[in-house]
Amino acid sequence: EPEVTQTPSHQVTQMGQEVILRCVPISNHLYFYWYRQILGQKVEFLVSFYNNEISEKSEIFDDQFSVERPDGSNFTLKIRSTKLEDSAMYFCASKAEHNEQFFGPGTRLTVL
Amino acid sequence: AQKVTQAQTEISVVEKEDVTLDCVYETRDTTYYLFWYKQPPSGELVFLIRRNSFDEQNEISGRYSWNFQKSTSSFNFTITASQVVDSAVYFCALSEAPRTDKLIFGTGTRLQVFP
Repeated sequence: EPEVTQTPSHQVTQMGQEVILRCVPISNHLYFYWYRQILGQKVEFLVSFYNNEISEKSEIFDDQFSVERPDGSNFTLKIRSTKLEDSAMYFCASKAEHNEQFFGPGTRLTVL
Repeated sequence: AQKVTQAQTEISVVEKEDVTLDCVYETRDTTYYLFWYKQPPSGELVFLIRRNSFDEQNEISGRYSWNFQKSTSSFNFTITASQVVDSAVYFCALSEAPRTDKLIFGTGTRLQVFP
């Protein structure tokens, strides 16, 4: 069964460093998303991406964040200068037209 | 404003008990979708069900059933004869599609099923 994959599973970084979180969506999906979940809290929407551009972003998704689909399979989230409060689980999701979103296993980001 | 409320923070039951997880939503849209996702201790988010606003039929899938009532803006989830493997955090979510397809999640209900 096709699934969304994410790497790495856990990333530890120093405050101020740049991180790139990687996702491989399900191959025939066209819509891509990033969400985050601070430990013990609810899942929050960050950004949606379709046709090689951002279709919607939340207030959390400020200038420190960017997304890219560098090739036909990967979808990345970059945080330019990490802050302590960026520590969270980051989930990538993808969906086909008119269907539900399928989530990857998440990347746990720890900012020290 | 759009919102999803899961008032039950944590529920504990003994195996074989039935349990209902409540979800109340708010939206001004007439077209929307509701979802339930399961987050087991391993952390991933597992899709369980999607319902559109025009389909109020209850749905049953094995031990799982869902009751959608537009009159009370609720989309409740019942597990019949619970099992230890059902232990997880369950999230209800709303999407105001087609206007936007971002998912708005509730705060989740942690279900613990004891043997």
